[in-house]
Amino acid sequence: DAGVTQSPTHLIKTRGQQVTLRCSPKSGHDTVSWYQQALGQGPQFIFQYYEEEERQRGNFPDRFSGHQFPNYSSELNVNALLLGDSALYLCASSLPGESTEAFFGQGTRLTVV
Amino acid sequence: KNEVEQSPQNLTAQEGEFITINCSYSVGISALHWLQQHPGGGIVSLFMLSSGKKKHGRLIATINIQEKHSSLHITASHPRDSAVYICAVSDSNYQLIWGAGTKLIIKP
Repeated sequence: DAGVTQSPTHLIKTRGQQVTLRCSPKSGHDTVSWYQQALGQGPQFIFQYYEEEERQRGNFPDRFSGHQFPNYSSELNVNALLLGDSALYLCASSLPGESTEAFFGQGTRLTVV
Repeated sequence: KNEVEQSPQNLTAQEGEFITINCSYSVGISALHWLQQHPGGGIVSLFMLSSGKKKHGRLIATINIQEKHSSLHITASHPRDSAVYICAVSDSNYQLIWGAGTKLIIKP
């Protein structure tokens, strides 16, 4: 079992560009959550996908969008990148339900210059 | 006031010491998670608790639902235990609410 895999591991983009980050959940998991972790801070919830729909969303602007595919993998898209979007983006997969264990990927380190 | 509070924020100890990290929360939860984050970012789930106590190797986690408090203990600490330990709670909105983390350094 490969666990949760994210790609790419590192990425450098220019202000104003668009970026797509990818996440493959742990085998058997159908729920994917995305988090943004700025340097020195705790992760902030972006949104969660279940059954190919956004089930819950945190306090992030519409520039942040996502998608979940039938195989449960997910993408996080960020448009019109700002310097402040530089962060570690974490993906977590779980089974549906409020109290199921989340498994995390290694994250994608995005640097916006 | 943050919904999940951890203490201490930073902890430095000598190898072999018994370590305790505390977490208090102010919201209704369905479960509490202890996670470990090493430099570079990868996060590993250590425990998920909804009641009582769990043990895995040298790690022990306890939760008191009535007092809304949890502790993570590390026995016979080792330098490889050095990491950031994060307490997070699951709420009814399927989100994880994160504490600020405790940076633990174990010196040989």
